[in-house]
Amino acid sequence: AQSVTQLGSHVSVSEGALVLLRCNYSSSVPPYLFWYVQYPNQGLQLLLKYTTGATLVKGINGFEAEFKKSETSFHLTKPSAHMSDAAEYFCAVSEYSSASKIIFGSGTRLSIRP
Amino acid sequence: EAQVTQNPRYLITVTGKKLTVTCSQNMNHEYMSWYRQDPGLGLRQIYYSMNVEVTDKGDVPEGYKVSRKEKRNFPLILESPSPNQTSLYFCASSLVGQGTDTQYFGPGTRLTVL
Repeated sequence: AQSVTQLGSHVSVSEGALVLLRCNYSSSVPPYLFWYVQYPNQGLQLLLKYTTGATLVKGINGFEAEFKKSETSFHLTKPSAHMSDAAEYFCAVSEYSSASKIIFGSGTRLSIRP
Repeated sequence: EAQVTQNPRYLITVTGKKLTVTCSQNMNHEYMSWYRQDPGLGLRQIYYSMNVEVTDKGDVPEGYKVSRKEKRNFPLILESPSPNQTSLYFCASSLVGQGTDTQYFGPGTRLTVL
């Protein structure tokens, strides 16, 4: 069965600092992996996704994530945090495209300190 | 404008009173899905639909019904709501089989069952 674990329900970084949000998954078949962002009082928006091919995936707003099969990880990073990055971030996994059953992590709330 | 709409956005009801939350998308997407979001649990899939008249259970289908009579609409029905169904609900849609697997989310419906 698939599962997703996001380490840290709340992460706080200073503006300009590195952002690192951790995600580990389990899947019996090659996974499709996603990061979504949720701004306050809004729905979720896709940040980036890994399906096949290059393991380093670049997304919107300067975020990127690297698929590491040996570590079953898909951590999200951004070199320099902006105040506008404050939001909740969800990692998700599915066995095929997202047009099937998809499992979300419990979310990580990112706070940015001035 | 491409969008997923949900109605109502906020609803307070009482135990046992049937209700329907509507979801509509204008992107001609085949795939639609319902999620509930609870603190510390992330998003959990309730039901999904791969196309008209094709629906399947997600991870938490108990107490919910759905129908997909038209491609654009995917209503969520609570026949006899209970307090444990108090939650934030999201509808999402995406293309199927087009190599495009981004899910587009609605703005959410906050439901309180007293």
